[in-house]
Amino acid sequence: DTAVSQTPKYLVTQMGNDKSIKCEQNLGHDTMYWYKQDSKKFLKIMFSYNNKELIINETVPNRFSPKSPDKAHLNLHINSLELGDSAVYFCASSSRESNQPQHFGDGTRLSIL
Amino acid sequence: GESVGLHLPTLSVQEGDNSIINCAYSNSASDYFIWYKQESGKGPQFIIDIRSNMDKRQGQRVTVLLNKTVKHLSLQIAATQPGDSAVYFCAENIRGGSYIPTFGRGTSLIVHP
Repeated sequence: DTAVSQTPKYLVTQMGNDKSIKCEQNLGHDTMYWYKQDSKKFLKIMFSYNNKELIINETVPNRFSPKSPDKAHLNLHINSLELGDSAVYFCASSSRESNQPQHFGDGTRLSIL
Repeated sequence: GESVGLHLPTLSVQEGDNSIINCAYSNSASDYFIWYKQESGKGPQFIIDIRSNMDKRQGQRVTVLLNKTVKHLSLQIAATQPGDSAVYFCAENIRGGSYIPTFGRGTSLIVHP
C-alpha cells in the first residue's frame, strides 16, 4: 500500500548513457513533482505536472524530460548523463486544490561513473 | 540551528531535552508552510503545517511557530527522542499562479541517548 513509489531505488551508470526513473502514486492526487537532492541535502524542485500538464519547469537542462502518461504517473528521462547529475531524485505528489503537504517517494540514488 | 549557509546546520541535543529548529523563509507572499522530517535513505515526511492566518499550531510533541513580521518559522520538539534524529526541512508554498513549493536548506538533528 505504498503511497508514492519510484523505481529503481539505485541507479549506477556510465557518463553519456540515457536512463529513466519511474514514479507512481496511488493517493488520487492531481499534481506530481520531481526534486533533485544534492550531497548537502539541498532539495530543489525540477518539474511539476498537474493533470498531465506541465506547470513548473525550473532551470533544468533539456537533457531532462518528464513524461506524464496519466495523472498517477510521472516519469523522468535523462539523456547523455553527466557526472553532475549524480544525486538523489525524489518524486512527490499532492492535491493542488488547496494548500496540502506533499507526499514523497523514497528516492532514486543516481551515481554516474 | 538555522537553515542558512552552504553546510547543513546541525543541532545536537540530549534525549529528553526540548529541541528548537529555526527557518527563515524568503517570500512575504507565501501563505502555507510545512515542516518535513527526512530520515536516512527515505524521502521527506510531513510533520506539521501552518497557514499564514495563524501564528502557532500544535501537534503531538511538536509545535510550529510563525512570525510573519520577520519571516521566521520554528519547529519545537518536546522531550526529544533518539528516533527524532533526522534532517528537518521547512518549506513554503509561494502563491503565484500555481503554488510553488520551496524548501529551506535543512537542519540535521542529532539526539544523544
